[in-house]
Amino acid sequence: DGGITQSPKYLFRKEGQNVTLSCEQNLNHDAMYWYRQDPGQGLRLIYYSQIVNDFQKGDIAEGYSVSREKKESFPLTVTSAQKNPTAFYLCASKASGFSYEQYFGPGTRLTVT
Amino acid sequence: RKEVEQDPGPFNVPEGATVAFNCTYSNSASQSFFWYRQDCRKEPKLLMSVYSSGNEDGRFTAQLNRASQYISLLIRDSKLSDSATYLCVVNLPYNNDMRFGAGTRLTVKP
Repeated sequence: DGGITQSPKYLFRKEGQNVTLSCEQNLNHDAMYWYRQDPGQGLRLIYYSQIVNDFQKGDIAEGYSVSREKKESFPLTVTSAQKNPTAFYLCASKASGFSYEQYFGPGTRLTVT
Repeated sequence: RKEVEQDPGPFNVPEGATVAFNCTYSNSASQSFFWYRQDCRKEPKLLMSVYSSGNEDGRFTAQLNRASQYISLLIRDSKLSDSATYLCVVNLPYNNDMRFGAGTRLTVKP
């Protein structure tokens, strides 16, 4: 089955620890994205990548880092510098071209205490 | 001004009602437009793309007005299962830069 996987579904961490969220896709999509969603809010773009070894900051990149070493993978690290890391994190991918839509993974709920 | 704006609602309608959502976007060079549906605590899923000529899929109709820079979604004969948050998405003119509205929450009641 083609799709996007995110793991784990739920993640709990202590304040001050870095944590890496996984995102893998087998759709052969060039573009991949990370969004953050807080309760009752819309999606805010953290980072996106259009090709391997390249990525751009979104609106709320501070306290986050990413890498894109393989086309299929786009992991997100939430660092201890992120002030309010507890949120729902969504990964998406998209084929190149304006007419194509994004496909989303099931998300990871991160709780930091 | 936000790049994509939606009325957050909530919209509370009875079963069988017709309901319409609007979404405005700020960049006139935006290339493509979509409506997504998001259920509580789930990922967004594509509802429909929005074409310049407008498009219809069953009870759902999407329209694009480039002159006024807005898109709309019309839901006819609302069902209980239509209860969700509806997200407007715009592909900015920077290749794959996709931006979301904050979403409009719909509750359909018996």
